[in-house]
Amino acid sequence: SQQGEEDPQALSIQEGENATMNCSYKTSINNLQWYRQNSGRGLVHLILIRSNEREKHSGRLRVTLDTSKKSSSLLITASRAADTASYFCATGSNFGNEKLTFGTGTRLTIIP
Amino acid sequence: DAGVIQSPRHEVTEMGQEVTLRCKPISGHNSLFWYRQTMMRGLELLIYFNNNVPIDDSGMPEDRFSAKMPNASFSTLKIQPSEPRDSAVYFCASIQTGFVNTIYFGEGSWLTVV
Repeated sequence: SQQGEEDPQALSIQEGENATMNCSYKTSINNLQWYRQNSGRGLVHLILIRSNEREKHSGRLRVTLDTSKKSSSLLITASRAADTASYFCATGSNFGNEKLTFGTGTRLTIIP
Repeated sequence: DAGVIQSPRHEVTEMGQEVTLRCKPISGHNSLFWYRQTMMRGLELLIYFNNNVPIDDSGMPEDRFSAKMPNASFSTLKIQPSEPRDSAVYFCASIQTGFVNTIYFGEGSWLTVV
């Protein structure tokens, strides 16, 4: 079963706008990661946030984590056509970090 | 490093045939994962190895599926006999465990069983 559930399942925005995706999970975690998957390709790691962190930035990416609500959000600012992809959250458990459980993904389309 | 290398990239096979997917993890990584991705079920973890030993195979759908890791640089996922419902993208991924880290994925093997 999927640990994470991304919301929305699909999102279309105009180039230059900001895109926000959300992820909810069910069990305790020690880290949460976001990955991107371009069509026909493997998943690529974007950013990792630890359970004791609340916010993290990397370039145009901003990730927040609320462990009390068991949720995370990924914000992509000033979106570009190249950001078109599926985005997945993945959680690592408290009992080991080697096994990640992936969510169902958000399909993001940037309209030029 | 060349990254995680998978082969074949694409395979079309007839129902009942044996399928073998191959993976070479990143050198130095000591954990390897096999995932399956479909539109209906998303990304599912099938099995993972740590130091070549299978740790969790609870995601393997049934006895038709088997996975081996004879050494640190090679793993196979075998389906015998294959069925149309096995059609999916199979990803191999690897990681250096021991601390919080990221998984590196291969480009996937696209399997179609007709």
